[in-house]
Amino acid sequence: EVQLVESGGGLVQPGGSLRLSCAASGFTFSDHYMDWVRQAPGKGLEWVGRSRNKANSYTTEYAASVKDRFTISRDDSKNSLYLQMSSLKTEDTAVYYCAKSIRIFGVGGYYMDVWGKGTTVTVSS
Amino acid sequence: DIQLTQSPSFLSASVGDRVTVTCRASQDISSYLAWYQQKPGKAPKVLIYAAFTLQSGVPSRFSGSGSGTEFTLTISSLQPEDFATYYCQQLKSYPLTFGPGTKVDIK
Repeated sequence: EVQLVESGGGLVQPGGSLRLSCAASGFTFSDHYMDWVRQAPGKGLEWVGRSRNKANSYTTEYAASVKDRFTISRDDSKNSLYLQMSSLKTEDTAVYYCAKSIRIFGVGGYYMDVWGKGTTVTVSS
Repeated sequence: DIQLTQSPSFLSASVGDRVTVTCRASQDISSYLAWYQQKPGKAPKVLIYAAFTLQSGVPSRFSGSGSGTEFTLTISSLQPEDFATYYCQQLKSYPLTFGPGTKVDIK
């Protein structure tokens, strides 16, 4: 069974740091692009960033709202994705989802076909 | 950045109704669009990708259409388990963006 399990959420003060993890199982992790998506309380979905796979040099993309504060990394040997968050702001309070992305055959573009259940980050003093 | 708008924001419907949700992109995204369903307290689930391709395991009452800047998600006969919020997402360029969502509620 394909599964993603996020962990590492919690309460952090503004300006603080936190590292989220996403443990993957049931598929060849190293082959896939992986994304982080967040959802603030009562709000819609916001894409945070993406890690490409080894074949694409593990390059990353970020939303403007988190660029230079958040860093996505992965360890294929541990089937794990990470989100290092620093200089946290109250507006970063959200449920953070890890998602596996899959290429649209013959077209290009990647959509998120498997999602974890999320981990909650609360930024508050 | 590519902006997505959805209409309506909220929709009240009955079991058995045909329901249509529209997503409009601020620029041409060809068929680089996905639709997701999210129920309260749960993770999103993909329904449609490449604008009209049904994800494996998704009931055939869901369908997608459109290309360029205007897209629709149709539920042919609304079922009790379909009451949820629906989001479109463009896959054309970074940053990837989601629409604001359409909540489908029970009339």
